[in-house]
Amino acid sequence: DTEVTQTPKHLVMGMTNKKSLKCEQHMGHRAMYWYKQKAKKPPELMFVYSYEKLSINESVPSRFSPECPNSSLLNLHLHALQPEDSALYLCASSQVGQGRDGYTFGSGTRLTVV
Amino acid sequence: AQSVSQHNHHVILSEAASLELGCNYSYGGTVNLFWYVQYPGQHLQLLLKYFSGDPLVKGIKGFEAEFIKSKFSFNLRKPSVQWSDTAEYFCAVRSSGTYKYIFGTGTRLKVLA
Repeated sequence: DTEVTQTPKHLVMGMTNKKSLKCEQHMGHRAMYWYKQKAKKPPELMFVYSYEKLSINESVPSRFSPECPNSSLLNLHLHALQPEDSALYLCASSQVGQGRDGYTFGSGTRLTVV
Repeated sequence: AQSVSQHNHHVILSEAASLELGCNYSYGGTVNLFWYVQYPGQHLQLLLKYFSGDPLVKGIKGFEAEFIKSKFSFNLRKPSVQWSDTAEYFCAVRSSGTYKYIFGTGTRLKVLA
């Protein structure tokens, strides 16, 4: 299995809702990432997990809360989002360390906040 | 601070034309370099990567890239493009030994049949 699976593919949520994005991989990668991609912009790093521990938080607002319950799963919990948070949220995974194969990206969750 | 520049934001070519997309980065240390492609409606896929050794690297689908250390460049090339190469191309740089990738702003390539 050489894929990163993200669910749901599309999500519409109100500003008072709580929702979660899910990401799963079975490649044995121990580094997992959340990226945010706005339209016509490059992906921007949000969080990095290494061996299920948060290693990088790129000053992301607390309304985004990541969780890595095990080596195959990565969640992003969303609460009280703003319309400007609407974007494509990408999960990626890689080997820890040099990561010589680069990232493997998921197809993303397209989030719309209304 | 590290940065990645992709000079061409939009490129339009006819089929069989040659392609070269520029990528320059600013970082003084050892870097790993990548090109990713994003086809319409699809996820980012790794085209090729450079870690060390031969500065001319070959990737999938006939793409290649050349690392020129003195110019801080990692340009992507393809001798003859196809309509199916229509996509957005992102250059990415990572400081060796770190997790963080810095992506360029991307180049949208449109190939006319």
